[in-house]
Amino acid sequence: GQSLEQPSEVTAVEGAIVQINCTYQTSGFYGLSWYQQHDGGAPTFLSYNALDGLEETGRFSSFLSRSDSYGYLLLQELQMKDSASYFCAVRDNFNKFYFGSGTKLNVKP
Amino acid sequence: DADVTQTPRNRITKTGKRIMLECSQTKGHDRMYWYRQDPGLGLRLIYYSFDVKDINKGEISDGYSVSRQAQAKFSLSLESAIPNQTALYFCATSLSRGGRIDEQFFGPGTRLTVL
Repeated sequence: GQSLEQPSEVTAVEGAIVQINCTYQTSGFYGLSWYQQHDGGAPTFLSYNALDGLEETGRFSSFLSRSDSYGYLLLQELQMKDSASYFCAVRDNFNKFYFGSGTKLNVKP
Repeated sequence: DADVTQTPRNRITKTGKRIMLECSQTKGHDRMYWYRQDPGLGLRLIYYSFDVKDINKGEISDGYSVSRQAQAKFSLSLESAIPNQTALYFCATSLSRGGRIDEQFFGPGTRLTVL
């Protein structure tokens, strides 16, 4: 079966850097993506990694190690508006998507 | 602005009733998806469709059915609703080409309560 594990909650202060980890087990793997969801809102796409390495998009970066079945989302220069839930997701060989249960990020002043 | 819309946004229904949730998109995307979200369980895929003639079961399709009436419309039906189908339902779309498949665009969600 498929499983994704990520921490349930992380707390950090404004201006700091935080890393949200995701480990996965899938039968077939195309890539790892990340989504942000504010309370009461819809998920929004942040990034996608198909190959090993780091992808940077502004204050957000995402990393993938296929050999370790591991990835992370790095958020720099944290702002209060970054308080949200963050989900990792994988696509398997049948083009099915599986999401982790989400990491709630609390940013404190 | 190209968008993904869902109707209704909120629905309360009774056990045993048939209910349909609708999704429309103006993004021109060929792939469409239905997810449910329960607290603490993240998003789980119910059904997905690559085009009007291609519909596939997701992780949790039992108790649900779908219809892809046109490239832009994808409906989810609960033939006989039960309380454990109470959840937040999201429709999403994506392109078929290359890395864009994994960039999904979500609708605002439908909050369904089954009493």
